Amino acid sequence: EPEVTQTPSHQVTQMGQEVILRCVPISNHLYFYWYRQILGQKVEFLVSFYNNEISEKSEIFDDQFSVERPDGSNFTLKIRSTKLEDSAMYFCASRRTGDGNTIYFGEGSWLTVV
Amino acid sequence: GDSVTQMEGPVTLSEEAFLTINCTYTATGYPSLFWYVQYPGEGLQLLLKATKADDKGSNKGFEATYRKETTSFHLEKGSVQVSDSAVYFCALRGVPNTPLVFGKGTRLSVIA
Repeated sequence: EPEVTQTPSHQVTQMGQEVILRCVPISNHLYFYWYRQILGQKVEFLVSFYNNEISEKSEIFDDQFSVERPDGSNFTLKIRSTKLEDSAMYFCASRRTGDGNTIYFGEGSWLTVV
Repeated sequence: GDSVTQMEGPVTLSEEAFLTINCTYTATGYPSLFWYVQYPGEGLQLLLKATKADDKGSNKGFEATYRKETTSFHLEKGSVQVSDSAVYFCALRGVPNTPLVFGKGTRLSVIA
């Protein structure tokens, strides 16, 4: 079964450093998402991406965050200058056109900011 | 805004016990409702869904019925197995093509 893959599975970074989380969505999917879950809290939407641009973003997704589809397969989330409160599990997800109710998630990237 | 509230965990059950994980929601209009499951070391997987009132979603022995009158979508399974140990997330989508709104998740541990 096709799957969304994410790297790294776990990253520890110092406060103020830039972090790039990588995702390879399912190959025929055109809608991409990032969500995050701070330990013990809800899974929160960050951003959705379609047709090479952001289609929606949450209040969490401020100027410190950016997303990019640098080539035909990868979808990245960059945090420009990490803060302690960015420590969370980050989930990438994708879906195909016409099936808004079936979203496939990756295993997550656990980011620890120290 | 839209929100989902699910019962706090962790929930620990013996094998073959009956499972209920409560989920209630607040949304305008007629949301689609989902249960996702995260097994250890894996990503979020769609377990079941219901897109209109009174629909019952089912998969792998799990069921949930969309109850508009009580704004609920409780997850049930008649006889749990050790392999059902995971974190279960209730979620909704209020309007087509809008992001999913998740609950906090409920950790289920099933012991033999």
